[in-house]
Amino acid sequence: DTAVSQTPKYLVTQMGNDKSIKCEQNLGHDTMYWYKQDSKKFLKIMFSYNNKELIINETVPNRFSPKSPDKAHLNLHINSLELGDSAVYFCASSQGRGYYEQYFGPGTRLTVT
Amino acid sequence: GQQVMQIPQYQHVQEGEDFTTYCNSSTTLSNIQWYKQRPGGHPVFLIQLVKSGEVKKQKRLTFQFGEAKKNSSLHITATQTTDVGTYFCGGRASGGSYIPTFGRGTSLIVHP
Repeated sequence: DTAVSQTPKYLVTQMGNDKSIKCEQNLGHDTMYWYKQDSKKFLKIMFSYNNKELIINETVPNRFSPKSPDKAHLNLHINSLELGDSAVYFCASSQGRGYYEQYFGPGTRLTVT
Repeated sequence: GQQVMQIPQYQHVQEGEDFTTYCNSSTTLSNIQWYKQRPGGHPVFLIQLVKSGEVKKQKRLTFQFGEAKKNSSLHITATQTTDVGTYFCGGRASGGSYIPTFGRGTSLIVHP
């Protein structure tokens, strides 16, 4: 069984569209994250969600919004996609906050044309 | 804000040679974690260091946490082609957010 899963694996779309990426973890973890990895492999934290507490990286445009229907899911919605949004997006989860390892999903490669 | 610098950005080695990547933080860290990302894959947790001066080993991999808890290193002895990938360090600032700040990673290329 996959611990952290993401769908879709690949997403190609045009500028201006709205898209969503789904993430599910079956580890029973309390904390989930979204990361953006650009072409230079820089892993940038976008959001962290723990027990209904959302921590947002202030540099993330408000076109990006996380939605958590329950503890096992943290979806990422992106409005008005731009070329610069092209990247690999990773979902991750951890048992709690602080001293816990993160388990990453397989990633979603988003290409905006 | 907290910054985590990682060097080198790339390292080419011949199989059998040793490899070291260094991680330096602008602030004192509560802990540091190391992850490995294979080409086309996702980051996978390797280890966590918490104590000042801590050294941990995993087979050919040796991880160190500096005495001042502001730097860390990963050393691989006698690299193998299976070691290829990008190694990331992620550290949490003492008294800061519980979310780690990652370095930009060191990509290791091993030539057979």
